[in-house]
Amino acid sequence: TAGITQAPTSQILAAGRSMTLRCTQDMRHNAMYWYRQDLGLGLRLIHYSNTAGTTGKGEVPDGYSVSRANTDDFPLTLASAVPSQTSVYFCASSDTPGTPRGYTFGSGTRLTVV
Amino acid sequence: ILNVEQSPQSLHVQEGDSTNFTCSFPSSNFYALHWYRWETAKSPEALFVMTLNGDEKKKGRISATLNTKEGYSYLYIKGSQPEDSATYLCVSGGYQKVTFGTGTKLQVIP
Repeated sequence: TAGITQAPTSQILAAGRSMTLRCTQDMRHNAMYWYRQDLGLGLRLIHYSNTAGTTGKGEVPDGYSVSRANTDDFPLTLASAVPSQTSVYFCASSDTPGTPRGYTFGSGTRLTVV
Repeated sequence: ILNVEQSPQSLHVQEGDSTNFTCSFPSSNFYALHWYRWETAKSPEALFVMTLNGDEKKKGRISATLNTKEGYSYLYIKGSQPEDSATYLCVSGGYQKVTFGTGTKLQVIP
C-alpha cells in the first residue's frame, strides 16, 4: 500500500542521547514535513523539505535537524534529547508544497525522553 | 483571526444525532482549507480540501462548507454513528504557511 512509513513506532530515550526518526514515502512526493503533536497545541511544523536536496525550518526547529538526500527519505535527528521533546512525531508528504490536494501522514512515532 | 481556531474543543453526542463544528481561519491570503479525520493511534485521514468561497463538499454523512470572505468553515455530520468518534482537524494555508487547528474531539455515544 502506497504511503508513508515511520520507524520506530515508539521509543523511550534517555536524556542526552541522540536518535533518528525515520520517514520513507513511496509516492514520489516532492515535499515532506515533520510535525510534533502535543496535547492542546495541535500539530506544529518542525522542519520541511520542498524537494530533494533542500530543507527549511518550521515553527519549532530547535533541537532537531533533517536531511533530504533523496526524494523518498526524510529522517529527523535529535542530537541530544531533552524531556521537552517528548511528543508524538508525524511525518507527512505532499506532491507539491502546500498542494490543495492535501497531505499524506505517517502513523506517527511516540517518543518519550526520560 | 490570526490562527486557526476550532470549536468546540470536544463534544459528546448520542448516536443518531446530527452535529456540526466550526473552523475559523485568517481570511487574508487564503489558499486552501483542509479537513482531516483523526482516530486515536492512527494518522490523520484527509476528508475534504476546499479552495473556493462557497465550496461545499460531501462524503457520505459528512459535509463541509467554506466561507473565505469571513474566514470560517463548517463540518456537518448527519446521523452520527459510533465509528464517527474521532478528532476532526482543520488545516488552513498552503506552501510554507500551513496552520493546523487543535481539533474538535467528537465522541458518539451508542
